[in-house]
Amino acid sequence: EIVLTQSPATLSLSPGERATLSCRASQSVSSYLAWYQQKPGQAPRLLIYDASNRATGIPARFSGSGSGTDFTLTISSLEPEDFAVYYCQQRSDWQNTFGQGTKLEIK
Amino acid sequence: EVQLVESGGGLVQPGGSLRLSCAASGFTFSSYWMHWVRQAPGKGLVWISRITSDGSSTSYADSVKGRFTMSRDNAKNTLYLQMNSLSAEDTAVYYCARVMTTATTGNLNIWGQGTMVTVSS
Repeated sequence: EIVLTQSPATLSLSPGERATLSCRASQSVSSYLAWYQQKPGQAPRLLIYDASNRATGIPARFSGSGSGTDFTLTISSLEPEDFAVYYCQQRSDWQNTFGQGTKLEIK
Repeated sequence: EVQLVESGGGLVQPGGSLRLSCAASGFTFSSYWMHWVRQAPGKGLVWISRITSDGSSTSYADSVKGRFTMSRDNAKNTLYLQMNSLSAEDTAVYYCARVMTTATTGNLNIWGQGTMVTVSS
């Protein structure tokens, strides 16, 4: 099983600041990595697929990068609605796995 | 409107069984791989299983392998998760999710609202 480790566990920032979230895989997942956003009481929402492609309707302030084992989700300028929990997920292995999540909170 | 609606959750005793359903509408269900994902209260997302579009192949997380069975009825546009030998560790909200395109195995862009399963005596 491929283990995804996200860091930091919690990120405290203010609106307008830049957020950088990391996801590291225990072995290469090529570019088969997605990022999701989840708000309390809601289902997750797909933000980024295949490492760097924005899903339909996702604002341009969200971007993804990386390949192999190291990936980054960047939010260029935080909006109030961006404060949520973010998860990475790999689909390289037949057992897809999620990271443990990064909580992005308002400072 | 593309929609997934889960049902079948509830309270079950340890060692018991439960079958979850996920009704799909607004798209050609038989063309898409589907997944189940769960989330224990206050915890993160955990991938559970996936099934090919024709139902011929499934994959499971180690934590549920041998206890859970994922299946689908394309004529009824419905996905299932049969859960046996349940324990307290299976208590979670269970989501069904659809992959983004007919050509991909992952990238979950359509999610149901979730159904809560509580395992307790």
